[in-house]
Amino acid sequence: DQQVKQNSPSLSVQEGRISILNCDYTNSMFDYFLWYKKYPAEGPTFLISISSIKDKNEDGRFTVFLNKSAKHLSLHIVPSQPGDSAVYFCAANPQTGANNLFFGTGTRLTVIP
Amino acid sequence: NAGVTQTPKFQVLKTGQSMTLQCAQDMNHNSMYWYRQDPGMGLRLIYYSASEGTTDKGEVPNGYNVSRLNKREFSLRLESAAPSQTSVYFCASVWRTMWNEQFFGPGTRLTVL
Repeated sequence: DQQVKQNSPSLSVQEGRISILNCDYTNSMFDYFLWYKKYPAEGPTFLISISSIKDKNEDGRFTVFLNKSAKHLSLHIVPSQPGDSAVYFCAANPQTGANNLFFGTGTRLTVIP
Repeated sequence: NAGVTQTPKFQVLKTGQSMTLQCAQDMNHNSMYWYRQDPGMGLRLIYYSASEGTTDKGEVPNGYNVSRLNKREFSLRLESAAPSQTSVYFCASVWRTMWNEQFFGPGTRLTVL
């Protein structure tokens, strides 16, 4: 049972435009959320995170929004650049026990020059 | 500072063979994790080690064993490989289990024939 869902397997965006990647979760115990970026043949690398006590976190071109009531978060990339082309994973952390991350299935972003 | 390293990068096994995947980190992290990534499934936790000398099962531990050799090294062993274990395996580490941002290695692509 997938507790973190990314329903869009792929997304294509023109360079300079906004990319919006979405993520939904089902477990109300999740209280910390992360986005990871993954290039082919490499491990995931941390991009940005948000705590459940916030609804927005910004880091340069990347902004993550959290809607707790809807159990939904999104990653906005503005402006999108060709180097942003990668697979993006949403992950959630219940902050208990192993504190391991529960990952979504990923969204492949392609930024077209 | 190499971060998290994994060996080998690629491996092909026949059903029933055994092998050990190696992972090492040089960031003085206390906690280490093994994940597998399968198409359409995201990353799933196999085993983790909250600190040196401790190991615990994750979401999908069947068919695997682990050893936390020392603070730096965390190995994953397949005693009798099965085709269902064909996957990409990622090792990750974090300062402590209560921290969120895990650092990942480059992965090992394993094929079991």
